[in-house]
Parts: sequence; C-alpha cells; structure tokens
Amino acid sequence: NAGVTQTPKFQVLKTGQSMTLQCAQDMNHEYMSWYRQDPGMGLRLIHYSVGAGITDQGEVPNGYNVSRSTTEDFPLRLLSAAPSQTSVYFCASSSQGHTNVLTFGAGSRLTVL
Amino acid sequence: GNSVTQMEGPVTLSEEAFLTINCTYTATGYPSLFWYVQYPGEGLQLLLKATKADDKGSNKGFEATYRKETTSFHLEKGSVQVSDSAVYFCALSNGGAGNTGKLIFGQGTTLQVKP
Repeated sequence: NAGVTQTPKFQVLKTGQSMTLQCAQDMNHEYMSWYRQDPGMGLRLIHYSVGAGITDQGEVPNGYNVSRSTTEDFPLRLLSAAPSQTSVYFCASSSQGHTNVLTFGAGSRLTVL
Repeated sequence: GNSVTQMEGPVTLSEEAFLTINCTYTATGYPSLFWYVQYPGEGLQLLLKATKADDKGSNKGFEATYRKETTSFHLEKGSVQVSDSAVYFCALSNGGAGNTGKLIFGQGTTLQVKP
C-alpha cells in the first residue's frame, strides 16, 4: 500500500518554464489537496478537490492549475514558473469518513532560478 | 479570518526533558484541532487531534487539550527522546461542507532533542 506518491522529489526550473507535479493515491480517498511549505509560514493550501471532476481554489492559487480526471490522480501544473514559486510542495488526501485526517506525500522540492 | 499561531522555534532539549509547544488559534464556530509531525525528509503525519472543547488528544506519549476559554491546544510530552526530533505543526479545521478536507496550519516548531 503506497499511500500518496509524489513525483518528482526534486526539480530545478528556469523562470518562465512550465511543469507538472504528479500526485497519486491508492487509498480510494475522495479528497485531495496541494499545499506549499515555506520557511516561517507553515503550509498553505493551493488547490483542493472533493472528488473526480471537482476542484476549488485554496489560499494561494495564483500561478497554479489543477485537474481531477480520476479519483487517484491530482496533478499540479505550474504554467510559467516564477522564483516566488520556489518551495516544497505536498500533496495530501483524506477519506469521506475522516475528512481532516490527511495522508501526505513525501514532498516535491522545487527551485525556480 | 481563521489562523493558528505557534511558539517560535527551534526548541532544543536534552533527552528525558519535559516538552511544551504552545499553540493558539483564532476561529469562528467550533473548530477541530490537530497536531501533525514532520520527520526529516518526510511528509507530515497526524500525531493527535481533538474535536471539541475539553477533549484531550494523545498518541506516542504526546498530549494536547482543547481549551476553548484560552483558544489554545498546547502540545506536551513528559520525557522526550532523540527520535522525537522533528517539526511539529498545529492545525485547525472549521468543519462544514465548505471546509471539508481543508486545514489551516501554524508555521511549525522545530524540536531538536540531544542525547
């Protein structure tokens, strides 16, 4: 049982490049979310989804897109990377019965030069 | 708006010392409160939770009591071990359909335990 799997673990981009952070869960969880972690600021919610085909914005959605075509996958797209998007990104999921008990992936560290 | 404030870190303790990490919150209604822990190189994992006032969450020797009168959820452990070295996050969720699965996190407190 892999839980929540994120790829890649590390990525370096140049300003203006685009990329997708992948997230997959094998627990049949309905809810999935993306957070970014920055020093001194804790985790901030970027986007989240309550089920396939349904997404919504979190606290810091600008510069990011998401889609949820299947229950298992929730990719995060950076359309035109900026240095302010240098961060550690975490994907998380939770089940309908325990909506606020999040299972996190191991994180993806992104550096934008 | 809703927010969570944690004590500044890092906190450095010797093994077997008593630990307190302070957490206070601002929220409307009756939030659920959580402590998550992040070990080096890993994602966060739930440590304990409390869903209503005066509830005490506990796990692995850690405890926290939901104090509505002081809007606090301080984390305590009587005797820390080197293996407890990690970053600890206090978080809240306001519940309701619109907040399902969405947590508000504090800034995190780094704990380092020395042998």
